[in-house]
Amino acid sequence: QLQLQESGPGLVKPSETLSLTCTVSGGSISSSTYYWGWIRQPPGKGLEWIGSIYYSGSTYYNPSLKSRVTISADTSKNQFSLKLSSVTAADTAVYYCARSIVGASDYWGQGTLVTVSS
Amino acid sequence: QSALTQPPSASGSPGQSVTISCTGTSSDVGGSNYVSWYQQHPGKAPKLMIFEVSKRPSGVPDRFSGSKSGSTASLTVSGLQAEDEADYYCSSYGGSNNWVFGGGTKLTVL
Repeated sequence: QLQLQESGPGLVKPSETLSLTCTVSGGSISSSTYYWGWIRQPPGKGLEWIGSIYYSGSTYYNPSLKSRVTISADTSKNQFSLKLSSVTAADTAVYYCARSIVGASDYWGQGTLVTVSS
Repeated sequence: QSALTQPPSASGSPGQSVTISCTGTSSDVGGSNYVSWYQQHPGKAPKLMIFEVSKRPSGVPDRFSGSKSGSTASLTVSGLQAEDEADYYCSSYGGSNNWVFGGGTKLTVL
């Protein structure tokens, strides 16, 4: 059974960089079938797609976040990561990692709350 | 890219049917067969209910169905049950390798 688990600091200071890692078990991120991505949800609000990475290393980002986002993968550890720079309070959210195929995310991590505050 | 438009709330009694709409543009919903629907219970991760407009993943009851007409996609839940009470989100390919979500609809089972 495929499992995804987010990890990283739960508190980040304004203007700093948010860094999260998603560890995948029960399947390989090197599979050519799937995309691996990040989605976030501010408290009490809706979902927002952040971006995805394909097994080839190609990355795709939400245009509204593109200047601040980097998604990378470490196939040796079966992990992929998110970096979001210059964070503000508006970046406070539950961050999910997920596996997707043709845009449908069929496996999700449990989510991790990241709060931006000094 | 703008979020897809969903009604904030919907409701129905047990056993009834309810339909939730998701309106976009010709650049996303209207121009794509990659429309998905997710169910989210409080404090939980979203769960995929419909993909490619009308396909159900294994394990999703056939009470859940999806359709699309023009730039509006719809999720219909038939034979409402108490456990269907949740937030529902649509998602669509938005072009240029981008994906967009709807604002979400809170479904209440009366």
